[in-house]
Amino acid sequence: AQSVTQLDSHVSVSEGTPVLLRCNYSSSYSPSLFWYVQHPNKGLQLLLKYTSAATLVKGINGFEAEFKKSETSFHLTKPSAHMSDAAEYFCVVSVALWTNAGKSTFGDGTTLTVKP
Amino acid sequence: KAGVTQTPRYLIKTRGQQVTLSCSPISGHRSVSWYQQTPGQGLQFLFEYFSETQRNKGNFPGRFSGRQFSNSRSEMNVSTLELGDSALYLCASSQGQILNTGELFFGEGSRLTVL
Repeated sequence: AQSVTQLDSHVSVSEGTPVLLRCNYSSSYSPSLFWYVQHPNKGLQLLLKYTSAATLVKGINGFEAEFKKSETSFHLTKPSAHMSDAAEYFCVVSVALWTNAGKSTFGDGTTLTVKP
Repeated sequence: KAGVTQTPRYLIKTRGQQVTLSCSPISGHRSVSWYQQTPGQGLQFLFEYFSETQRNKGNFPGRFSGRQFSNSRSEMNVSTLELGDSALYLCASSQGQILNTGELFFGEGSRLTVL
């Protein structure tokens, strides 16, 4: 079984300040982990992914995340927030098992607000 | 390369009716999965198809069904619509490795309103 918990449902930051969106996962096997972003009335877009290579993963738009197995965490960070970063962010876990084929597990999402 | 296309983008139905939503995946992608997104329940997995076969399904009643055609296009159907079926229905495609742990490419969704 696999699960993912996004620790904050809402995060508010000022433009130009750092962003931290927290994600913890649970998995009996080696997971693949993803962060997606969704702007209003749009589909989800991949920000970055971890698939057992480097533990520090760099994504688009200046975002990065670090896979910490000991803490079962995959937190998303950005050094300086931009107004266009305001959106909903989803942490996703997937495991390569025949019984799990095609199924990804999504967190509940974190809404990021960026204040001018 | 064209992205994932979902049609229709918006639709309004009344209780008891049925609806069919369509999803055209990225060319070459063999896996299509469907999700329901609502403010109260978040993103919930409906089912996934790979090479015309349903590989996995979520915890939804039998009113929700789907299929995939030989060209990988997929449809989902909801019969006997209820007010609670109002949601954004998202389709995602992937390259379709056998175990499918790869990146998902999402369409912009079909927003269904049930009156």
